[in-house]
Amino acid sequence: AQKITQTQPGMFVQEKEAVTLDCTYDTSDQSYGLFWYKQPSSGEMIFLIYQGSYDEQNATEGRYSLNFQKARKSANLVISASQLGDSAMYFCAMRESNTGNQFYFGTGTSLTVIP
Amino acid sequence: DGGITQSPKYLFRKEGQNVTLSCEQNLNHDAMYWYRQDPGQGLRLIYYSQIVNDFQKGDIAEGYSVSREKKESFPLTVTSAQKNPTAFYLCASSILTSSNTEAFFGQGTRLTVV
Repeated sequence: AQKITQTQPGMFVQEKEAVTLDCTYDTSDQSYGLFWYKQPSSGEMIFLIYQGSYDEQNATEGRYSLNFQKARKSANLVISASQLGDSAMYFCAMRESNTGNQFYFGTGTSLTVIP
Repeated sequence: DGGITQSPKYLFRKEGQNVTLSCEQNLNHDAMYWYRQDPGQGLRLIYYSQIVNDFQKGDIAEGYSVSREKKESFPLTVTSAQKNPTAFYLCASSILTSSNTEAFFGQGTRLTVV
């Protein structure tokens, strides 16, 4: 079974609008971390935001927030006030304690911001 | 500046040749990883290492080899046994003992078979 599922291969958003990128995960571990990365066309992987399994509040980092719904095992990324520079691939990842803290990545979502 | 460095950025290989991709980190991280990324796809784990002189196969290890002689270095060799090596390769490192720390990535190496 897939550990991380991203069901949106591609998304479009109007500049200055908000967009939600979906991510669901599968784990039986109680202790795990959820991460979002941005990959622009240059290829580098840029860490955006982290959510711990025990965190009760949703994580926020500037225009990025993580909508964490533990019971539904979802960790959606919300980007507010989209900018042209947000056009990139976005990857959701999970790290579990009971598998040696391995990272599991989703297949990614390609986001295009339209002027 | 702490970080993780991959070299070269672009690499061309002839059929039947072995090539080695370099990955060096000065973050004092125990764990290091190699991922392969094909166009429009996610990251697939090739090999990972949690300690010097030890490493484990990931999901797609066939045709690849690694070494971890120093904590800072985790080179990946793409052997002639890898039938379709053209891809983007990413090296990463992280603190090992916690699920709440992110992976740090290098800039990647784009390998093309000619």
